[in-house]
Order: sequence, then structure tokens, then C-alpha cells
Amino acid sequence: AQSVTQLDSQVPVFEEAPVELRCNYSSSVSVYLFWYVQYPNQGLQLLLKYLSGSTLVKGINGFEAEFNKSQTSFHLRKPSVHISDTAEYFCADGGSNYKLTFGKGTLLTVNP
Amino acid sequence: NAGVTQTPKFQVLKTGQSMTLQCAQDMNHEYMSWYRQDPGMGLRLIHYSVGAGITDQGEVPNGYNVSRSTTEDFPLRLLSAAPSQTSVYFCASSYEGGDEQFFGPGTRLTVL
Repeated sequence: AQSVTQLDSQVPVFEEAPVELRCNYSSSVSVYLFWYVQYPNQGLQLLLKYLSGSTLVKGINGFEAEFNKSQTSFHLRKPSVHISDTAEYFCADGGSNYKLTFGKGTLLTVNP
Repeated sequence: NAGVTQTPKFQVLKTGQSMTLQCAQDMNHEYMSWYRQDPGMGLRLIHYSVGAGITDQGEVPNGYNVSRSTTEDFPLRLLSAAPSQTSVYFCASSYEGGDEQFFGPGTRLTVL
């Protein structure tokens, strides 16, 4: 069964600092990878997705992620975070069976 | 487009009661799914449907029932509510199962 591991449950950073949220997936066949963001008391919103092609994927709000097949990773990055980026971030894998498997989430807290 | 809508937003039940969580989408998506979100657990798939008349179990199906009589609607039924079903429930839809999923705003359910 496919699995998604988010290596950090919480990441505190200061405003304007860079951030990386780590994600590893387990699918051995073709992968569809996603990052979602959840603001407090809201549903999930897609940040970016990798289906094929360029391994560097750009998303909304200045986020980007890099697909690394050899390391089975899909880390999310932003060069300079804002207070408004405080939210929970979920990595997900569409894998080979057309069902999304989510990681347990990383809570990003941006402090002034 | 309203996207994915869910009702109710909040619900409190007593142990043993039954209820139906409603989900509808107006994007003509074939794939719909129900997740529950619990602290530190990420999102776990309860049931999903790949089209009208077709449903299947996800990771945590026990205690829940679904049906898909139309493309638009995918209700989730709790047959006999238990405190372990206290959670936030999200409905999602997509063009196909492994693709980007669009999420509803969620239903926060408390079972006493």
C-alpha cells in the first residue's frame, strides 16, 4: 500500500525566513503528487501538483516543490514566508490506484 | 459554480443516533470521496465513488454507508453514531481519482 510521510509535524519559522516542508512517498510506479494547504477552520486548497514533466513545480502564494524520483521526495519550499502562510500543509500521493493518500500534515507557524 | 458543498457545518449527536451528511458538486466530476480528519492523523479515506452507482471502501469504512444515485450527490450515512466518530468530515470530488481533488468546507461532528 502506498504511504506518504511528512517528516515534521510542526515547523516554526520567523517572518521573511525561508522554509522547507518535507515529504516522502512510497509509490514505485507512476505518481501524482500534491501539496494542499488548510487554513484554520477551512477546507483544503490545492497549492501545487506534479503529474509529469519538469521536476520543479510552481504553485500559488510563491510556493514551489521539487519532485525527486531517486529520493522519493516532494519537498515544499518558499524563499520568504509571511504571517499569512501560517496553516497546516498536507502532502498527498495519487499513486497507481487512483486514490489520494495523505500524509499526517505539517503545521507551519510563522512568527513575527 | 458552487464547487463542493456540504451540509450541515456542525452537528451534535448522541451515541446510537443515525444521520446523513450531505455532499454535492456541480463540476460534473465522476470521482467523489469522503474523508475524516482527526488531529495528528491527516485525512483518511472512508468511502469513494468512481461514478453514479459505483462505490467502494476506503481505509476506514466501518460504521459508515454511502450511495451514489446521481453524479452530483454523494451522501455519507452514520448508521449508529459512536464517540469514536467524532471528527471533521470532508467531501471531495475530482475529474478522476488520482487527479486534483476539490474539497468542501467540512462538517464538524461531535458524538456524545
